[in-house]
Amino acid sequence: DAGVTQSPTHLIKTRGQHVTLRCSPISGHKSVSWYQQVLGQGPQFIFQYYEKEERGRGNFPDRFSARQFPNYSSELNVNALLLGDSALYLCASSFKRLAATRTYNEQFFGPGTRLTVL
Amino acid sequence: KNQVEQSPQSLIILEGKNCTLQCNYTVSPFSNLRWYKQDTGRGPVSLTIMTFSENTKSNGRYTATLDADTKQSSLHITASQLSDSASYICVVPLFNTDKLIFGTGTRLQVFP
Repeated sequence: DAGVTQSPTHLIKTRGQHVTLRCSPISGHKSVSWYQQVLGQGPQFIFQYYEKEERGRGNFPDRFSARQFPNYSSELNVNALLLGDSALYLCASSFKRLAATRTYNEQFFGPGTRLTVL
Repeated sequence: KNQVEQSPQSLIILEGKNCTLQCNYTVSPFSNLRWYKQDTGRGPVSLTIMTFSENTKSNGRYTATLDADTKQSSLHITASQLSDSASYICVVPLFNTDKLIFGTGTRLQVFP
């Protein structure tokens, strides 16, 4: 079975442009989360979607938006790009919402999309 | 404030040696703690997940410990290999939410 896939793998944009990143979860997984990882730091939570609804949002400006489709794939959109948006954007999928159980609900990460804003 | 802190920030060891990475967290209530391995430019890969009732869990040459009383965890790597060179990230979910709190990671370099 394929793992979490993300596209594109690399992307170069200029300030002010917008970008759309795509994620396909593991088959059967209904939850998708997005993370931003700036070089040298740990990932920061951006969004979580479950069953096509937003279930969580991190401390990111409104320039960041996302959605989940009926096939559970997801898109992350970033408008009016800034230099500081340069990062590795990670997508993770899980079968359930993390909060749905007191036991662990493992997330599987994709390889990421490396975004460079010039 | 819910935080996860790791030490050391970076570590250099020789192939075949052992090492221990540390993680302290303030996330409360606590449900579980995860250790991930992340190669440069790649997504994190899960090494182990520990619930509050577990003290030790092994995955091959990786052994994680958890002390829920002191809110500390460690990851011990035995007989290191060159392929162990990576960042190791400690992660704790925010209880009853879907948000993961990540540590900043320990960058491990194994030299021959």
